[in-house]
Amino acid sequence: NAGVTQTPKFQVLKTGQSMTLQCAQDMNHNSMYWYRQDPGMGLRLIYYSASEGTTDKGEVPNGYNVSRLNKREFSLRLESAAPSQTSVYFCASRGTLGNQPQHFGDGTRLSIL
Amino acid sequence: KNEVEQSPQNLTAQEGEFITINCSYSVGISALHWLQQHPGGGIVSLFMLSSGKKKHGRLIATINIQEKHSSLHITASHPRDSAVYICAVRSGGSQGNLIFGKGTKLSVKP
Repeated sequence: NAGVTQTPKFQVLKTGQSMTLQCAQDMNHNSMYWYRQDPGMGLRLIYYSASEGTTDKGEVPNGYNVSRLNKREFSLRLESAAPSQTSVYFCASRGTLGNQPQHFGDGTRLSIL
Repeated sequence: KNEVEQSPQNLTAQEGEFITINCSYSVGISALHWLQQHPGGGIVSLFMLSSGKKKHGRLIATINIQEKHSSLHITASHPRDSAVYICAVRSGGSQGNLIFGKGTKLSVKP
């Protein structure tokens, strides 16, 4: 079972470069999420998609864009990377019938120099 | 003040010890989650609670809705339990987003 798959696992960028983090889930989940995890802080929500075709801002959306390409895929784009975006990024998904747990990807460790 | 507070931040235990990690929250919730993050970084869901108590193997999770408090217990701890344990609450109904605590880093020594 693949669950939630994120690519790449590691990436180093220079300030100003752009890149897209990819996420795909095979559990037929409606909701998908992008989080960042920084030392000493809890996971913070960047953007989420409650269903195919919809996206909404989370707690820390500045500097990011997302695309819910289809039900399976939810990508996160950094248009002009900044050192403050150095972090570990997690994608997650969940079903929306009642209270269900989130399933997380393995994370992408991103460094901006 | 953070909406979800965990204690302790760090915990070192000897193999075999009984461990308790606490989580307090200040918002109304529809569910509380306990998650485990291993040194490799992956995050897995351990429990989802809205009342009472759940048990899975050596792990027990309890919640007191009136006191807005939950505990995660590990019995007969083992070095493989070493991980960061994260408490998260879902507010705003069953479709609300999760609010995460900062995590408790547990190290179990042999």
